[in-house]
Amino acid sequence: AQSVAQPEDQVNVAEGNPLTVKCTYSVSGNPYLFWYVQYPNRGLQFLLKYITGDNLVKGSYGFEAEFNKSQTSFHLKKPSALVSDSALYFCAVRDEPAGANNLFFGTGTRLTVIP
Amino acid sequence: ETGVTQSPTHLIKTRGQQVTLRCSSQSGHNTVSWYQQALGQGPQFIFQYYREEENGRGNFPPRFSGLQFPNYSSELNVNALELDDSALYLCASSLQGPQFFGPGTRLTVL
Repeated sequence: AQSVAQPEDQVNVAEGNPLTVKCTYSVSGNPYLFWYVQYPNRGLQFLLKYITGDNLVKGSYGFEAEFNKSQTSFHLKKPSALVSDSALYFCAVRDEPAGANNLFFGTGTRLTVIP
Repeated sequence: ETGVTQSPTHLIKTRGQQVTLRCSSQSGHNTVSWYQQALGQGPQFIFQYYREEENGRGNFPPRFSGLQFPNYSSELNVNALELDDSALYLCASSLQGPQFFGPGTRLTVL
């Protein structure tokens, strides 16, 4: 069975400080991992993905994520937070490409960047 | 390039009624997935369509059904609406890559 866990419902960070949003996953095969962001009354926007290769993945809007196989984690990071980064962040996973391309999402982490 | 669009934006129905939600996929994308996002939750996979055939289904009852058309647009139909069906319904399209989501349809069942 596939699953992801986002242990923090809420993360607060001061503008200009680095931010981390945590995600751990569980899959039976090789993981395909994703981060999405959701702004109020909007759909999900794709930020980045890990399929294979370098453990540090760079994505949109200055975000990056670090894949750690031994810890089964895929934490989202940004060196310097902006107020406009305040939103709801979802980690998602799916198993190897065979079969349906459906995603399993975490429950989300609300990021608030304080000016 | 046109992104994923969904209609209507909002919808209010009463218990027992039926509803149809529509999705136009991003240009060139042949796969459409539907998700239900209840308030305060992450999206949950309903089903996926690939080239007009259902290609995977989540843990939703048969009263949730769908269609995909030759132009890859899609419909989600829900029969016998229940109060717990109130949610944001998201459509996502893809082409052998990450899924791109539409803005969603917010369904309220009274």
